[in-house]
Amino acid sequence: QVQLVQSGAEVKKPGSSVKVSCKASGGSFNMYALHWVRQAPGRGLEWMGGIIPMLGTADYAQRFQGSVTISADKSTATLYMELSSLGSEDTAVYYCTRGGRLLQPGAFDVWGQGTTVTVS
Amino acid sequence: EIVLTQSPGTLSLSPGERATLSCRASQSVSSNYLAWFQQKPGQAPRLLIYDTSTRATDIPDRFSGSGSGTDFTLTIDRLEPEDFAVYFCHQYVGSPYTFGQGTKLDIK
Repeated sequence: QVQLVQSGAEVKKPGSSVKVSCKASGGSFNMYALHWVRQAPGRGLEWMGGIIPMLGTADYAQRFQGSVTISADKSTATLYMELSSLGSEDTAVYYCTRGGRLLQPGAFDVWGQGTTVTVS
Repeated sequence: EIVLTQSPGTLSLSPGERATLSCRASQSVSSNYLAWFQQKPGQAPRLLIYDTSTRATDIPDRFSGSGSGTDFTLTIDRLEPEDFAVYFCHQYVGSPYTFGQGTKLDIK
């Protein structure tokens, strides 16, 4: 069964950037869509964007266009999310999650443990 | 973008009762690509139901999903103490993927 293990908590200054990683093990990495979802304190879930490592092109939510970069390293089965120009509103828990196979719709069935990013 | 609206915001029930949670979409969710998640404090969301009505691996049969088009329901029969949590619906028809705002199920 695939597992997603994320990097540790981060504390960042306003205006800086953060890069969070998510390492996959125990299953196929290249052929599934992998996504980033964030959750601000006491709030709901917000999809940021995703990528299919085999295809390489990322897809972003409109509100994150230009501020987030999602990438994948197939050689290490690691997903990355870099968020720039951080503001206090970016304080949240960031999750990586697995979606459908290639371009097929699929529920987000496997989740990382979450990475807390605090902007202060 | 498909907007998902969940109701009620909070549902207070006792163990052993039945919970009925609603999720309404702003437009039809094609192929019923609608899922439900459970989330407890400090934990990642856990997939309960996908494709509207299919239980995910190891999910007890007291959880069931139904609906079509724009109206979907999660039903939890015979509530257990561990079922009190926040529940989100989610559509994965395509980008942008969206979630409902959540229903908090708490103990009466």
